[in-house]
Amino acid sequence: QKEVEQDPGPLSVPEGAIVSLNCTYSNSAFQYFMWYRQYSRKGPELLMYTYSSGNKEDGRFTAQVDKSSKYISLFIRDSQPSDSATYLCAIADTGNQFYFGTGTSLTVIP
Amino acid sequence: GAGVSQSPSNKVTEKGKDVELRCDPISGHTALYWYRQRLGQGLEFLIYFQGNSAPDKSGLPSDRFSAERTGESVSTLTIQRTQQEDSAVYLCASSLKYDQPQHFGDGTRLSIL
Repeated sequence: QKEVEQDPGPLSVPEGAIVSLNCTYSNSAFQYFMWYRQYSRKGPELLMYTYSSGNKEDGRFTAQVDKSSKYISLFIRDSQPSDSATYLCAIADTGNQFYFGTGTSLTVIP
Repeated sequence: GAGVSQSPSNKVTEKGKDVELRCDPISGHTALYWYRQRLGQGLEFLIYFQGNSAPDKSGLPSDRFSAERTGESVSTLTIQRTQQEDSAVYLCASSLKYDQPQHFGDGTRLSIL
């Protein structure tokens, strides 16, 4: 079983839609949760970072962590064409081990 | 502000040649990571540095791959006797310390002919 699983998509939504991206993980020891956005031919860019259960909001982005279910989500409100990218979840334990999902490809259609 | 810088951005070389990829981390970041990303796939961990020591080399795919880091600065990833399966984007990331979020460069796109 992989440490983190992510639906690869692709996901295609109309502009203005609410997008939900999700990952599940296997080890309850994981304590740090991140979402990255990767545009084509660019490196991943950190979007959100949290280490607790619950919601963290930053503008149109909300990261949600449910440690009891080992489930994390990223919500994008009022999606824009500029949000079209691949989104990667990442989780880490208290050591140096980071685990990345394989990424979900998102296209927002104008 | 200076982010993680990688060079070259693109490298095309013939099978069997050696290549050296460079990473300049964000100033003050003690942790440095190398990843490989094949087309349409996720990030494959290669090696992690804390300062100039590499406590975790578990991801290096073969003894053709090696990496070093000078203090808490530049790192180089060397691939000897390149093979076609080495074609990928090689990403470098750095963080303040090991349990902090990683910040990525834009990668080196390596193509082996």
